[in-house]
Amino acid sequence: AQKITQTQPGMFVQEKEAVTLDCTYDTSDPSYGLFWYKQPSSGEMIFLIYQGSYDQQNATEGRYSLNFQKARKSANLVISASQLGDSAMYFCAMREGSTKTSYDKVIFGPGTSLSVIP
Amino acid sequence: ETGVTQTPRHLVMGMTNKKSLKCEQHLGHNAMYWYKQSAKKPLELMFVYSLEERVENNSVPSRFSPECPNSSHLFLHLHTLQPEDSALYLCASSHSSQSSYNSPLHFGNGTRLTVT
Repeated sequence: AQKITQTQPGMFVQEKEAVTLDCTYDTSDPSYGLFWYKQPSSGEMIFLIYQGSYDQQNATEGRYSLNFQKARKSANLVISASQLGDSAMYFCAMREGSTKTSYDKVIFGPGTSLSVIP
Repeated sequence: ETGVTQTPRHLVMGMTNKKSLKCEQHLGHNAMYWYKQSAKKPLELMFVYSLEERVENNSVPSRFSPECPNSSHLFLHLHTLQPEDSALYLCASSHSSQSSYNSPLHFGNGTRLTVT
């Protein structure tokens, strides 16, 4: 059974500083994808960044980067130069690839609430 | 129109009412999803349709009834709901294939449902 853990219910960061949001996962499938989403108070879920299980390098998208440690089964999101608009809920998600039942299912962690302080 | 569109954005209904949530995607995806997000709880996967066939029904009560007439449209029919069903209902779409573990879900803006 797959499982996503986000151990930080809430985080604070000073504007312009970097912050790391933790995510650990559990799977026995060799093929999987890890995703991070941002959910502002308005409710929409915004896709931020993706990391594949076979990717050799950490993913980066603008100010977002993913610290992927496969052996430790962790995929932490790093946000550099935090902005006030980064205040939101952040969710880590996983999608396995081996069977139709697994690759059609995307499981989310409980989320981390990030507050950026001016 | 592009992306994933959900209607209505807000819905208030009594426990004896019947209503439907609608979702439409213009991304050419072949899988669609319903998620429930309650306060202080993780996103719960409710239903998955892949190539218009239901492939997941995550122990959802029968008062929630999904319908997927084609790969672009998804409905969630609601009847005799309970106050604890009040939540944000999110629709999403994605590619579905054995290599699609690298495909993200694309979400609509959600329907905020209140059951009185």
